[in-house]
Amino acid sequence: SQQGEEDPQALSIQEGENATMNCSYKTSINNLQWYRQNSGRGLVHLILIRSNEREKHSGRLRVTLDTSKKSSSLLITASRAADTASYFCATDDDYKLSFGAGTTVTVRA
Amino acid sequence: DSGVTQTPKHLITATGQRVTLRCSPRSGDLSVYWYQQSLDQGLQFLIQYYNGEERAKGNILERFSAQQFPDLHSELNLSSLELGDSALYFCASRQGPGTGELFFGEGSRLTVL
Repeated sequence: SQQGEEDPQALSIQEGENATMNCSYKTSINNLQWYRQNSGRGLVHLILIRSNEREKHSGRLRVTLDTSKKSSSLLITASRAADTASYFCATDDDYKLSFGAGTTVTVRA
Repeated sequence: DSGVTQTPKHLITATGQRVTLRCSPRSGDLSVYWYQQSLDQGLQFLIQYYNGEERAKGNILERFSAQQFPDLHSELNLSSLELGDSALYFCASRQGPGTGELFFGEGSRLTVL
């Protein structure tokens, strides 16, 4: 069973715009991670936020975590065509990473 | 390149058959994870090994089995294959449980006809 659920399922934006996607989860976690997957390829790690952190930045990525609401968000600023991909949140309980169904982001040139 | 190697990349077989998928983790990583990705089920956790021992089990069918060998490579065995087993099977590795990011291989695409 999947732990996280991403919202929206799909997102289409213009190049240069920001993309925001959300993740909700059900049980307690040690950390939450975001991954990107280009069509049919392996997942690539983007960013990890620990349960005692509230916000983290990495380049054009900004992640927030609200453990009281069991939710996280990923913001991609100034999007580029190369950002077109599926984005997954994953909750880590030390034993396994449980992935959501993902958000498919399409960046139009 | 993540450093995780999966073979074969593509596999086409018939219902009822058995296949073995192989994974070589990133150098130094002791934990290996197997995931199944299909269109209707998303990315499902199957099983995790740490230094040769099974550590966590997910939605892995009884027809499926896995092991991690002393050299740390892992194999996922799928038997009595059904049409619904068609999917991308990913292996991922990291140093140890709870030690940060997973490094994914490029996957093995299984098609059952």
